[in-house]
Amino acid sequence: QSVVTQPPSASGTPGQRVTISCSGSRSNIGSKTVTWYQHLPGTAPKLLIYNNNQRPSGVPDRFSGSKSGTSASLAISGLQFEDEADYYCAVWDDSLKVRLFGGGTKLTVL
Amino acid sequence: EVQLVESGGGLVKPGGCLRLSCAASGFTFSSYTMNWVRQAPGKGLEWVSCISGNDYYIYHADSVKGRFTISRENAKNSLYLQMNSLRVEDTAVYYCVRESSGEGFDYWGQGTLVTVSS
Repeated sequence: QSVVTQPPSASGTPGQRVTISCSGSRSNIGSKTVTWYQHLPGTAPKLLIYNNNQRPSGVPDRFSGSKSGTSASLAISGLQFEDEADYYCAVWDDSLKVRLFGGGTKLTVL
Repeated sequence: EVQLVESGGGLVKPGGCLRLSCAASGFTFSSYTMNWVRQAPGKGLEWVSCISGNDYYIYHADSVKGRFTISRENAKNSLYLQMNSLRVEDTAVYYCVRESSGEGFDYWGQGTLVTVSS
């Protein structure tokens, strides 16, 4: 059971906007920056968002991140079939001195 | 081009040992904190361990504390994970991951599979 919580699944149709939440506590999301990763089966995970809302070069601006208090969100607009993947949030926990991954959210594009 | 290539995975019996290696290239290895992250079959990503560029700090997940040891040899651009007292639940793909300060895990290796089974 992860200390950082994500919904196990999300879905949308092409063109729609979907959001994935990531809920933590004061010692992690409440005080540290959140990153988001996209993971396709059989491949290495890919960094999507860092520092809560920054996109690395090459990541489409359809992907955006936000943080408020002890929660963070990943939004994907203009959903495409190729966005079907597992999405993970991650954050350092200052009390536990560990990096925490959320349990992951499987995104299905219908 | 940044490259991270893991090796050393394989089949081992419960209670056994294994040493994973990660060969890094394309960047100044000693300037970066490095991590190991794993994914068990059908499960999510789990952070295992990290080591700062100068070995100043080392942290391990509770699930591996006392059994796994992360280390690095900057002169050889190499990262290691010594895994002792392996358990069935340690079965996973292990990824070598570069951490950019303030920018997250920006480069991942392709992973090496560790299977713990009798």
